[in-house]
Formats: sequence, C-alpha cells, structure tokens
Amino acid sequence: NAGVTQTPKFQVLKTGQSMTLQCAQDMNHEYMSWYRQDPGMGLRLIHYSVGAGITDQGEVPNGYNVSRSTTEDFPLRLLSAAPSQTSVYFCASIPRQGARAFFGQGTRLTVV
Amino acid sequence: QKEVEQDPGPLSVPEGAIVSLNCTYSNSAFQYFMWYRQYSRKGPELLMYTYSSGNKEDGRFTAQVDKSSKYISLFIRDSQPSDSATYLCAIGNNNDMRFGAGTRLTVKP
Repeated sequence: NAGVTQTPKFQVLKTGQSMTLQCAQDMNHEYMSWYRQDPGMGLRLIHYSVGAGITDQGEVPNGYNVSRSTTEDFPLRLLSAAPSQTSVYFCASIPRQGARAFFGQGTRLTVV
Repeated sequence: QKEVEQDPGPLSVPEGAIVSLNCTYSNSAFQYFMWYRQYSRKGPELLMYTYSSGNKEDGRFTAQVDKSSKYISLFIRDSQPSDSATYLCAIGNNNDMRFGAGTRLTVKP
C-alpha cells in the first residue's frame, strides 16, 4: 500500500516555465488537497477537491490550477512559474471530512 | 493576524524533560484540532486528533483543547531524542484545515 505518492521529489524551473506536480493515492479517499510549506508560514492550502470532478480554491490559489478527473489523481499545475513559488509542496488525502490527512513526501521546487 | 498562531521556537530540551507546545486560533467555528509531527525532509504525520474541549492522552503524548480560550496544547512526557522534529498544530473544519507555522523541537541525549 503506497499511500500518497508525489512526483517529482525535486525540480528546478526557470521563471515563466510551466509544469505539473503529480499526486496519486491508492486509498480510495474522497478528499485531496495541495499545500505549500514555507519557512515561518506553516502549511498553506492551495486547492482542494472533495471528489472526482469537484475542486475549489484554498488560501493561496493564485498561479496554480488543479483538476480531479479520477479519485486517485490530483495534479497541480503551475502555469507560469515565478520565484515566489519556490517552496515545498505537499499533497494530502483524507478519507472523509474532518479525518486525519495522509501526506505525501513532498516536492521541493525552486524557481530561478 | 494569522488564523492560527504557533511559536516557531526552536525549542531545545534535555532527554526526559516534559515538553509543552501551544497554539492559539481566532475562529471559534473551528471544530477539529490536530497535531502533526514532521521529520526533516518528510511529510507531516498525524500524532493526535480531537474535536472537543478537554484532554486526550496517547502514551507519552497529551493533547489539550480549551475552546473558550481558543488555545490548544501538546504535552510530551519523558521526551526522547527520537521526538526531535517539527510539530505542527492544525485547526479547522472538514477539508479546510489551517496549520500553525510549526515548532522545531530538539531533544538532546
């Protein structure tokens, strides 16, 4: 049972480039979320999904897009990378509302 | 003002000490209160989870929630070097959890 798998683990982008961070879970969880973690800021919610085909914005959605075509996958797209998006990105899945979140190992993104 | 405030530390204690970690929050509608532990370069893992005021104990860990004061705490008894990590509080509702900045704890042998 792999849990929540994020790829890639590390990425360096140039300003203006686009890319997709992948997240997959094999626990059949309804809820999935994307967070970014910055020093002194804790984890901030970017986007979340309450089921296939349903997504919504979190605290810091600007510059990011998501889609949820299947229960298992929840990719995060950076449309035009900016240095302010340098961060560690975590994907999480939750079996039901209010329950514990299972986090992936994170993607360390640097935008130069 | 952030919705969840947590002292980032760092906090350094000798092995065997009692550790107290705290968070305050501003939104009285928040229903779920969690503590996550995060080792370096890893994702957070759930330690404690509660949705009511009072204490909840699990081994050496005790989570305390005071909804009237909007204050939560995590106590670690007989702290061990393996407890060295960043501890994050998470407070919120359903899928909308707000995290504290995290307190970095080092337990020295």
